[in-house]
Amino acid sequence: NAGVTQTPKFQVLKTGQSMTLQCAQDMNHEYMSWYRQDPGMGLRLIHYSVGAGITDQGEVPNGYNVSRSTTEDFPLRLLSAAPSQTSVYFCASRFSGRDEQYFGPGTRLTVT
Amino acid sequence: KQEVTQIPAALSVPEGENLVLNCSFTDSAIYNLQWFRQDPGKGLTSLLLIQSSQREQTSGRLNASLDKSSGRSTLYIAASQPGDSATYLCAAVDDYKLSFGAGTTVTVRA
Repeated sequence: NAGVTQTPKFQVLKTGQSMTLQCAQDMNHEYMSWYRQDPGMGLRLIHYSVGAGITDQGEVPNGYNVSRSTTEDFPLRLLSAAPSQTSVYFCASRFSGRDEQYFGPGTRLTVT
Repeated sequence: KQEVTQIPAALSVPEGENLVLNCSFTDSAIYNLQWFRQDPGKGLTSLLLIQSSQREQTSGRLNASLDKSSGRSTLYIAASQPGDSATYLCAAVDDYKLSFGAGTTVTVRA
């Protein structure tokens, strides 16, 4: 079991560029989500999915898109990167709303 | 909107002392509460999950309590060790999201 994996580990973008952060899990979890972590603010939910083909917005969705075509994968797309999107991004998964949440190792993104 | 607060923001103790970390939340309609550990530059490692119907959960030297009516959870770490130095995060869980506190950074001095 690899658990929750994320690529890349580090990324530097210029303002206006687009990119996709990859997330995969091999635990057959239905729920997957993306969080961003900023100093002093805790983790905030960007988007989440409760199953293949179903996605919804979290509390900070602007500037990000997601899709969920398979149970295993949940990529996060930055449409036009802005310096305000400099952050550490974590992908997470769990079986259902009442189960333990597992996190990936994170992607550290810098937008210049 | 769920608000989660962790006090203190930082804590430094000598090795062997017991640690008490506090977490408070504003909305008691939660599914469960989860405690995590985060080492610098790393991801989150789950420590304990307390279901809303439970009052406490134990794992080794760790014990977490939950009082939904007062909106509080406490993480106890017995006989602290330098390896316990990390940031500890609590998260109040509803059906689709976790609401996190900003964390308590713990330093255990040898």
